[in-house]
Amino acid sequence: DIQMTQSPSSLSASVGDRVTITCRASHNIHTYLNWYQQRPGKAPKLLIYEASRLQGGVPSRFSGGGSGTDFTLTISSLQPEDFATYYCLESFTTLWTFGQGTKVEIK
Amino acid sequence: QVQLVQSGAEVTKTGSSVKVSCKASGGTFTTYALSWVRQAPGQGLEWMGRIIPILHRANYAQKFQGRVTITADLSTTTVYLEVSSLRSEDTAVYYCAKSAYSAYAYFDSWGQGTLVAVSS
Repeated sequence: DIQMTQSPSSLSASVGDRVTITCRASHNIHTYLNWYQQRPGKAPKLLIYEASRLQGGVPSRFSGGGSGTDFTLTISSLQPEDFATYYCLESFTTLWTFGQGTKVEIK
Repeated sequence: QVQLVQSGAEVTKTGSSVKVSCKASGGTFTTYALSWVRQAPGQGLEWMGRIIPILHRANYAQKFQGRVTITADLSTTTVYLEVSSLRSEDTAVYYCAKSAYSAYAYFDSWGQGTLVAVSS
């Protein structure tokens, strides 16, 4: 199985800050890496698919990058509605694995 | 745009089984897959398995192999998750999620979630 390691597990930031979350795969997954946002009590929402493709309707302050084993999700200017938990998901293998999540909190 | 609507909350006993449903509306089962993802209280997301409804082909995460069964009813465009030999650690919100353009593409839509509470 592929292991997905997200860092940090949590962070505190202020509105307007630039935030970067990292996801590392234990094996090469090419660009089969996706990012989801989950607000408390809600279902996850797709932000970025296939490493860098912005899902329709998602603000352009969200961007994704990377390939192989190392990936990033960047929020260029944090907004109040962005305080949530973010998960990466690999879709390279047949049996998928999520990262453990990164909780973004208000400083 | 396919919408996924899940069945209501369940309260069950340890050792029993539970069956949760996910109905796809606004579209038909074509080549996409439906997966089940669970989230224990205060924990992260855990992929459990998927089914390609048109093929009735299912894959399961190793952790759930043998205790989880995913089935599909094409006539009602509904997918089911059955978990047997329930334990307290199975208390979680269970989500169904649809793959995008093919069976092994990322999830592009999710159900609202179903709480399963297991008590002794």
